[in-house]
Amino acid sequence: KAGVTQTPRYLIKTRGQQVTLSCSPISGHRSVSWYQQTPGQGLQFLFEYFSETQRNKGNFPGRFSGRQFSNSRSEMNVSTLELGDSALYLCASSSAGTGRSYEQYFGPGTRLTVT
Amino acid sequence: GQQLNQSPQSMFIQEGEDVSMNCTSSSIFNTWLWYKQDPGEGPVLLIALYKAGELTSNGRLTAQFGITRKDSFLNISASIPSDVGIYFCAGLATNYGQNFVFGPGTRLSVLP
Repeated sequence: KAGVTQTPRYLIKTRGQQVTLSCSPISGHRSVSWYQQTPGQGLQFLFEYFSETQRNKGNFPGRFSGRQFSNSRSEMNVSTLELGDSALYLCASSSAGTGRSYEQYFGPGTRLTVT
Repeated sequence: GQQLNQSPQSMFIQEGEDVSMNCTSSSIFNTWLWYKQDPGEGPVLLIALYKAGELTSNGRLTAQFGITRKDSFLNISASIPSDVGIYFCAGLATNYGQNFVFGPGTRLSVLP
């Protein structure tokens, strides 16, 4: 099975711009979660989508949004970028079904740099 | 909010030595996951734990779900150079959804 894929892998944006990141989960996985990883704050949960609905949300401002499509692919959008948004954005998928459904598998991440 | 602490923060060991690290919290968790992350890559799932007291192995790795449900432990036996990386624990407090809380990580260095 192919793993979680994220595009693009690297991105440089300017303050005030917006950005969209994409995540394709493992085939058959219906849950997609997004995390922000920075040296200072570590891995922080952004939100989770399941069957095209946002099921959980972390403590991030409304500039961070996401969506999930019917094929479980997900996008994350950050509007009005700030310097502090520079981070590795990670996507994780899980089957969210029965049994060992809480096992999350991460993609390689998108490294976003805001200048 | 929920927080996880990991200790040690970093450790240097000789190749062949055994390693122990732990993850603690003041909150109760229902699921624990352990990950390893290499530079520039996403975390790789090592072990998942679902029941208090559960002991699970994956090759040279063994992890335990603490009986108080507030901690978890990871042991690596006979370390090798490719064990170098950052090890994260992640806890899930709810049975609904996937909003895991991650620890700050333990950085492991293996000296040849």
